[in-house]
This record gives sequence, C-alpha cells and structure tokens, in this order.
Amino acid sequence: DTGVSQDPRHKITKRGQNVTFRCDPISEHNRLYWYRQTLGQGPEFLTYFQNEAQLEKSRLLSDRFSAERPKGSFSTLEIQRTEQGDSAMYLCASSLTAQETQYFGPGTRLLVL
Amino acid sequence: AQSVTQLGSHVSVSEGALVLLRCNYSSSVPPYLFWYVQYPNQGLQLLLKYTTGATLVKGINGFEAEFKKSETSFHLTKPSAHMSDAAEYFCACSNVGNEKLTFGTGTRLTIIP
Repeated sequence: DTGVSQDPRHKITKRGQNVTFRCDPISEHNRLYWYRQTLGQGPEFLTYFQNEAQLEKSRLLSDRFSAERPKGSFSTLEIQRTEQGDSAMYLCASSLTAQETQYFGPGTRLLVL
Repeated sequence: AQSVTQLGSHVSVSEGALVLLRCNYSSSVPPYLFWYVQYPNQGLQLLLKYTTGATLVKGINGFEAEFKKSETSFHLTKPSAHMSDAAEYFCACSNVGNEKLTFGTGTRLTIIP
C-alpha cells in the first residue's frame, strides 16, 4: 500500500500530557498538510509543508502545537500540555505539487481525558 | 477568504433513488472545487474535482457534479443510490495561490433499503 499512513490510529491521553503523531506521505509528494476534524465538523487546516519548509500555520495552531518535516519526508505533529479541547481527528494529506489532488491518510483520533 | 456551505447535515434516500447533495461556495477568485467521501473511522477519499474546463465533472462510483458559477454551486449527484454509498460527504474548495482546502460541515448520507 503506497497511500498516506498515520501512526498511531488512536491515542488516549490525560490532560497535560504531550503527544506526538506521525504522518508518512506518498513517496515523492512534496506537499504535506495537517488538518483537524472535530465531531460533526469538516476538517480544518492547521499547517502545511513544501519539502521540509513549513509554509503556513493556521491561527488554530496555538503555541502548544508544533509540526516538523525533517528531510522533507515524514512529518510529526506534537501537542504539548494537551487539553480536552484538543480531542479530535488529526488528518494528514499529501500532494505531488501545490495544485494537485490532496490524498488523505486514515487519521489519528485523539481523546484527551 | 473562501467558505463552503453544505445544505442538509443529514440526507436519506431510498436505494435506487437519486442522490443530491448540495454545496455552495464563496470565493473572491475562481475556485477549485472538490467532493470527498469519508467512511466511518477512515480518512477522506476524493470523489471528484473541478479546476478548469468542462463544468460537468464525473467522478468515481457513479457520482458527478456540476460547477455553476452563476449560482456559486457545486452539487453532487448520483442517479441511483446504492447501500454502499452510505457515508459522510464533504465539499471543499481551494484556489490558485491558496491551496489549503476549506471544507463544509459535511452531509451524512443514509440509504434506506
């Protein structure tokens, strides 16, 4: 399977803990995107990368959130000092270039207790 | 700024009946428009997209959508519903120079046997 993969698929944590999610894009895709989807809502853009460069961050991405894409391959999204409001599905997508189709991974579902 | 409105958070149709899911967009520049489908506990799968050219776009699984600039709409249709079409459907837009996707709130499609 050469699609976008995300790990873990599910994460339960206690409030105040740090969590890190990983996304592996489709091989050779330069663009990588993170979205967040809360219950009953559509995905909302968080941030995206062109290779290893982070080009844009949404205002939804508070200081507790950080994303990296070292070497322009996989990406990690870290949430520090998690809050109950962080509970959501975190989706990763990749595309070959800027205007090409974004292909989504299965998501990581986070529950903060 | 761009936005997407999906009328009807829940739509039920009988198996074999016409499926019509509504999407209206707001964009100050020519939009790119997308329909994605999401099955339970899965990521988003692209059904179809409109960028330029022919305004009637055919996608996978028998779905199609028509871009109507005058109505700022991109409604999704399928002539005959199948039980396997039961899922959540999201309309999204982007445009040249703003590649991040803006999603609607989604429409949950239920198929009645």
